[in-house]
Amino acid sequence: DAMVIQNPRYQVTQFGKPVTLSCSQTLNHNVMYWYQQKSSQAPKLLFHYYDKDFNNEADTPDNFQSRRPNTSFCFLDIRSPGLGDAAMYLCATSTFLGAETQYFGPGTRLLVL
Amino acid sequence: SQQGEEDPQALSIQEGENATMNCSYKTSINNLQWYRQNSGRGLVHLILIRSNEREKHSGRLRVTLDTSKKSSSLLITASRAADTASYFCATHPGYGGSQGNLIFGKGTKLSVKP
Repeated sequence: DAMVIQNPRYQVTQFGKPVTLSCSQTLNHNVMYWYQQKSSQAPKLLFHYYDKDFNNEADTPDNFQSRRPNTSFCFLDIRSPGLGDAAMYLCATSTFLGAETQYFGPGTRLLVL
Repeated sequence: SQQGEEDPQALSIQEGENATMNCSYKTSINNLQWYRQNSGRGLVHLILIRSNEREKHSGRLRVTLDTSKKSSSLLITASRAADTASYFCATHPGYGGSQGNLIFGKGTKLSVKP
């Protein structure tokens, strides 16, 4: 089945130790998104890629970076995780920019020790 | 920035009862969507209602939209224990903001007891 896959499902890292979260999709969608969701809060958009064009939300910390080497894969890099970065990270895709529906992966829960 | 506010924050009902969740938003929208999130999982798209629509149905789901009041409601009829999840509304802005930027509310946590 076509889907959005996130690996790993759970990630534990140490304070300040770089970590990379992975997202892949078999939907062949042009747009991929990364959201951060803290406990009992709304998902918050960090950035998105439209094809190879990267769009950073204005309030996304510099600590967060992303890479999209090809249509199928998108990575979220956290250069120096702090305790406040512990959250669920959700990847989503859509057919085109501004498309009405986004398709979400299962998420990666990040724990920072 | 947060756009939607769900109400109530938490709702507990018995199986078979109806569950109603409300969402209010602040700015003009192109459409409003409802998503479901099981504990520790990703979001699943449930239903979308456009700004020129007033009501929409999908199975046991009924969504209403009142653009004059900037509010929407999600009704789940004949609830089941499997409906236990968090429900989020998300608005797709008609103008402004980032293109393709869905703005989510904080969600309503629904618990359906068998």
